[in-house]
Amino acid sequence: NAGVMQNPRHLVRRRGQEARLRCSPMKGHSHVYWYRQLPEEGLKFMVYLQKENIIDESGMPKERFSAEFPKEGPSILRIQQVVRGDSAAYFCASSQTGGRLNTEAFFGQGTRLTVV
Amino acid sequence: GDSVTQMEGPVTLSEEAFLTINCTYTATGYPSLFWYVQYPGEGLQLLLKATKADDKGSNKGFEATYRKETTSFHLEKGSVQVSDSAVYFCALSFNTGGFKTIFGAGTRLFVKA
Repeated sequence: NAGVMQNPRHLVRRRGQEARLRCSPMKGHSHVYWYRQLPEEGLKFMVYLQKENIIDESGMPKERFSAEFPKEGPSILRIQQVVRGDSAAYFCASSQTGGRLNTEAFFGQGTRLTVV
Repeated sequence: GDSVTQMEGPVTLSEEAFLTINCTYTATGYPSLFWYVQYPGEGLQLLLKATKADDKGSNKGFEATYRKETTSFHLEKGSVQVSDSAVYFCALSFNTGGFKTIFGAGTRLFVKA
């Protein structure tokens, strides 16, 4: 059973370009979470999605950031018109249930975005 | 709001020394508590967890006890190894209606041979 797969592992974008980060959850998991880790900081929650639904996006910046988890395919975190401050590690996690019964989330290895 | 506070790092220890990383939390309710470990260039791995007061989580020689009275979940290991060098994150989550893990800032541990 493969773990949470994120790609690419490293992504370099120039200011103003778009960044698309992909996350394939573990098999059987229908809940996906995105976190951002700035240098020397802990992870900050961004968004929680189930298939075709955004459940909680309270941690997402209001502009330029969007996320989706379609019925088929991976979850995508999209950052439009990137700026240097978007440089960070973006981690995806998945879980089997959405918070019931001692949910455990499994994390991917992250995508390190560098904006130059 | 809900939050997790960890001791600041870095923590530098010699091999076979005793490790304690303090973690306290603030929460409206009764969360589950976790310790995650992040090795260089890797994602987070769950190290141990506890889901209710007085539970002790343990794994790979690490352990932590859920103390409701002191709202703490300190991580301990009796004898650290060089391979334990990593960043350790304390975290909490609630088991009701949605899942949003709240992480501490992380504590970097260096173990010298």
